[in-house]
Amino acid sequence: NAGVTQTPKFRVLKTGQSMTLLCAQDMNHEYMYWYRQDPGMGLRLIHYSVGEGTTAKGEVPDGYNVSRLKKQNFLLGLESAAPSQTSVYFCASSYSIFPGQPQHFGDGTRLSIL
Amino acid sequence: AQTVTQSQPEMSVQEAETVTLSCTYDTSESDYYLFWYKQPPSRQMILVIRQEAYKQQNATENRFSVNFQKAAKSFSLKISDSQLGDAAMYFCAYRGGGTSYGKLTFGQGTILTVHP
Repeated sequence: NAGVTQTPKFRVLKTGQSMTLLCAQDMNHEYMYWYRQDPGMGLRLIHYSVGEGTTAKGEVPDGYNVSRLKKQNFLLGLESAAPSQTSVYFCASSYSIFPGQPQHFGDGTRLSIL
Repeated sequence: AQTVTQSQPEMSVQEAETVTLSCTYDTSESDYYLFWYKQPPSRQMILVIRQEAYKQQNATENRFSVNFQKAAKSFSLKISDSQLGDAAMYFCAYRGGGTSYGKLTFGQGTILTVHP
């Protein structure tokens, strides 16, 4: 069982380039989340989705767009990458929003913007 | 909005000793869970332990236990008989109900070093 898979695992971009991070889960989860991890700040929520075709902004959404065209996939896009978006990005999914339901995380994508 | 604070950026412990990582949080909700996640150098996010706010009994998972003080909004993690494999970044996290849509709010993290 793959769980949550993120691709790519590493990427280096130049300022102004665009790219899409893919998150795929095979657990039939409704809820999916994108977080970014920065030193001294923990993980912060970028965008989330409560089901196929729906997305919403989290704490730090500026500079990112997302799409959830299929239930199993949640895409995070950077239209014009900036050095401030250098970070480690985590995707997570959850069966429900019940507080005790754990989130399942991917292994992260390390993104560097030069 | 909920906040989670880990005031110890780094901690160290000798192998086989006990260490406690601190976490405080702020919320006005009554129904919530608290979690400790471990992040080794591999970057995986591994769930260590969770605590339901309504349960007075502190959660325990093998060598890991918590001290949950609801009134003080404190949620510390105790690691007993520390092992080299416990070395990692540890995150405290909050998950509430209401309109938070199941998001996790994380603390800043504590890097734990285990000395042989």
